[in-house]
Amino acid sequence: SQQGEEDPQALSIQEGENATMNCSYKTSINNLQWYRQNSGRGLVHLILIRSNEREKHSGRLRVTLDTSKKSSSLLITASRAADTASYFCATDINDYKLSFGAGTTVTVRA
Amino acid sequence: ETGVTQSPTHLIKTRGQQVTLRCSSQSGHNTVSWYQQALGQGPQFIFQYYREEENGRGNFPPRFSGLQFPNYSSELNVNALELDDSALYLCASSSSDGEKLFFGSGTQLSVL
Repeated sequence: SQQGEEDPQALSIQEGENATMNCSYKTSINNLQWYRQNSGRGLVHLILIRSNEREKHSGRLRVTLDTSKKSSSLLITASRAADTASYFCATDINDYKLSFGAGTTVTVRA
Repeated sequence: ETGVTQSPTHLIKTRGQQVTLRCSSQSGHNTVSWYQQALGQGPQFIFQYYREEENGRGNFPPRFSGLQFPNYSSELNVNALELDDSALYLCASSSSDGEKLFFGSGTQLSVL
């Protein structure tokens, strides 16, 4: 079974709008990471947030973490066509591996 | 570009055959992890190698095996292929702290 679960499974937005996706997980974590995957190819690391952090920004990305609710959110502001991809959360519970969710597929319409 | 390269990019095999997938890690990285990603799913951890030793294994049968070489490149071997082994196989390298993974573009394996 997967540690993280993303919601929604799919999201379609207009260019310029914001996209928000959520991740819930089951056990205590060391950190939580978000990755992007274009067209079923390799994953690209976007951002890492540690268990003692609540919010982090990187360019147009904003990540929040609520360890009491075991959840995280990823916000992409002012979306572009190039943001069309699948987004995965991955949890690190300090046992040598990352556990990925099933992902959110984001489509940005021109 | 992450600097992690995988070969081949695509592969077609028949049930029962054996396959070897290869991965060159990013310069300076001594840890390699392999993941299997079925269509529409997230990556599932197969195993990890650190300095040529297996450092952890996911819920995969023994017919999935691996190697890491002194230059930190790695191989994934799958014996007695089954139809359900059809997936994208991803290799990821990381430094000793292992926090961030740098993925290759994957090998798409089809088992007929």
